[in-house]
Amino acid sequence: DAGVTQSPTHLIKTRGQQVTLRCSPISGHKSVSWYQQVLGQGPQFIFQYYEKEERGRGNFPDRFSARQFPNYSSELNVNALLLGDSALYLCASSKPTGAYEQYFGPGTRLTVT
Amino acid sequence: QKEVEQNSGPLSVPEGAIASLNCTYSDRGSQSFFWYRQYSGKSPELIMSIYSNGDKEDGRFTAQLNKASQYVSLLIRDSQPSDSATYLCAVNGGRGSGTYKYIFGTGTRLKVLA
Repeated sequence: DAGVTQSPTHLIKTRGQQVTLRCSPISGHKSVSWYQQVLGQGPQFIFQYYEKEERGRGNFPDRFSARQFPNYSSELNVNALLLGDSALYLCASSKPTGAYEQYFGPGTRLTVT
Repeated sequence: QKEVEQNSGPLSVPEGAIASLNCTYSDRGSQSFFWYRQYSGKSPELIMSIYSNGDKEDGRFTAQLNKASQYVSLLIRDSQPSDSATYLCAVNGGRGSGTYKYIFGTGTRLKVLA
């Protein structure tokens, strides 16, 4: 079975721009979570979606938003990019919601200049 | 106090030795605990999950959980140079902060010396 897929792999944006990152979960998984990982740190939770509903949000500003589609794929949007948004953005999928095993995609490396 | 704490390392062990990685967490309501391996420039890969007190073994890996002490560890037996990576401990948020989210430590960098 295919794992979690994310696109694009790399992205370079300018401050103030907007970006959309995409994620497709493992087949049969209905929950998608988004994390931000900066160099030298562990992933930080941004959002979790289950059955198209937001189940939780981490401590991130309103510039970050997400949605989940009927096929369980998901998009993460970040508006008004700041230099500090440069990071590896990770998508993870799991079967049910809650505290079950999460499997990560390869990530999208975002660089804001 | 950080929610999930790990020694950043590097932890250096000779090839064939046992590597012991430790993690403490602050939320007593946490129920699920995970170890991920992350190679440089790659995404985290799930190695082990543990939900009950005691030991759980999978091949060369053993996860140990002690909820009373709020402590979880990962032992890697017969360490190989290919085990050199950063090991991330993740804990679910517990009812207080949200069972849906994982809280990660900063990771321990392991170096296995050939």
